[in-house]
Amino acid sequence: EAAVTQSPRNKVAVTGGKVTLSCNQTNNHNNMYWYRQDTGHGLRLIHYSYGAGSTEKGDIPDGYKASRPSQENFSLILELATPSQTSVYFCASGDPGQNTLYFGAGTRLSVL
Amino acid sequence: QQKVQQSPESLSVPEGGMASLNCTSSDRNFQYFWWYRQHSGEGPKALMSIFSDGDKKEGRFTAHLNKASLHVSLHIRDSQPSDSALYFCAAYYGSSGNKLIFGIGTLLSVKP
Repeated sequence: EAAVTQSPRNKVAVTGGKVTLSCNQTNNHNNMYWYRQDTGHGLRLIHYSYGAGSTEKGDIPDGYKASRPSQENFSLILELATPSQTSVYFCASGDPGQNTLYFGAGTRLSVL
Repeated sequence: QQKVQQSPESLSVPEGGMASLNCTSSDRNFQYFWWYRQHSGEGPKALMSIFSDGDKKEGRFTAHLNKASLHVSLHIRDSQPSDSALYFCAAYYGSSGNKLIFGIGTLLSVKP
């Protein structure tokens, strides 16, 4: 089965601090995605990438940056974390137009 | 902005019963619908996709698509306690990028 690994699994950050969430996939998928999950909002797309060096804005990109240095790795960066960014973050890889998305286990982020 | 509406937000059925979940697209230019299931503490996993009018059956799960009404449903027969999870509907539009738009989810509880 396709493998997507996220780190860390849990993170506590302070308001105004910098947070980096990491994602690694061994599926050789071109596309990677960052979603956040909140009760009442479902899964919302933050950023995505079509391959190494590319990043695209999703539906809620404000306050987030993304980096795709290689085919395998895709990071989500919060330069100045705020309490409103407390959430569960999921990384996924795949091609939704042809096949499915494979999700990691998630990172639970608390910004205090 | 394209949106996916899901209902109900929560559903409780007895073991062995039928669970029915609903989803509607705000835009008729979808290409596929996907159903995902998420157990507590895990990432979402794909159950099945549907892109043609009518029914698609996979084991105890049947998806039904009505393109004219932009509506898709998921029916789970002979529900088991292990089916208790959060179910997401997601639409692929294609024209707005290679990405999935998710609904808010339906929390299914199957009571023994």
